[in-house]
Amino acid sequence: AQSVTQLDSQVPVFEEAPVELRCNYSSSVSVYLFWYVQYPNQGLQLLLKYLSGSTLVKGINGFEAEFNKSQTSFHLRKPSVHISDTAEYFCAVSGIDNAGNMLTFGGGTRLMVKP
Amino acid sequence: DAGITQSPRHKVTETGTPVTLRCHQTENHRYMYWYRQDPGHGLRLIHYSYGVKDTDKGEVSDGYSVSRSKTEDFLLTLESATSSQTSVYFCAISEVIPIGTVNTEAFFGQGTRLTVV
Repeated sequence: AQSVTQLDSQVPVFEEAPVELRCNYSSSVSVYLFWYVQYPNQGLQLLLKYLSGSTLVKGINGFEAEFNKSQTSFHLRKPSVHISDTAEYFCAVSGIDNAGNMLTFGGGTRLMVKP
Repeated sequence: DAGITQSPRHKVTETGTPVTLRCHQTENHRYMYWYRQDPGHGLRLIHYSYGVKDTDKGEVSDGYSVSRSKTEDFLLTLESATSSQTSVYFCAISEVIPIGTVNTEAFFGQGTRLTVV
């Protein structure tokens, strides 16, 4: 079984500032890791994923995340945010022994970008 | 965008009434999922299906049942709706993931907002 903790429920930030959204997980097996974004009244869209290989993963819209196995973390970063990045962000994990890619989600972090 | 359609998109129903939500996909993916989204909880898995007539329970399955008679359709039924089932429901699909492949991604529908009064 897996669990995911997103340490901040809300993150306010000014436009063009850097941002980091934190995610920690626990699992008894190796995992795949994901970040999804949800814009208002929409479904979830994949931002990026870590499956194996390089621990620094680049995604869409200028986001990146770093997998840290020793700290069981997968924090999401962007060097300069835009108003359009205002959304809710979800970290999720899937055990690699899970053939169906069932996801366990964190509680979400609402990113609020202010002008 | 992945071909996933949820219906209805919005529904208001009374406590004690049965409700069925439909998820339809055009991707021919084997796996289909129903999640509910509640503030502070993220998305939690209700039920999932790994093939026609093959379903299993997720984390929060009490009060829900599912059926999958065709690859493309996955129905979620609330037999007797309660106020605690007021939520946004998302359907997702994915394809079989052999261990080690890079093609691991779940695609989500637009959601159904259900209000039980």
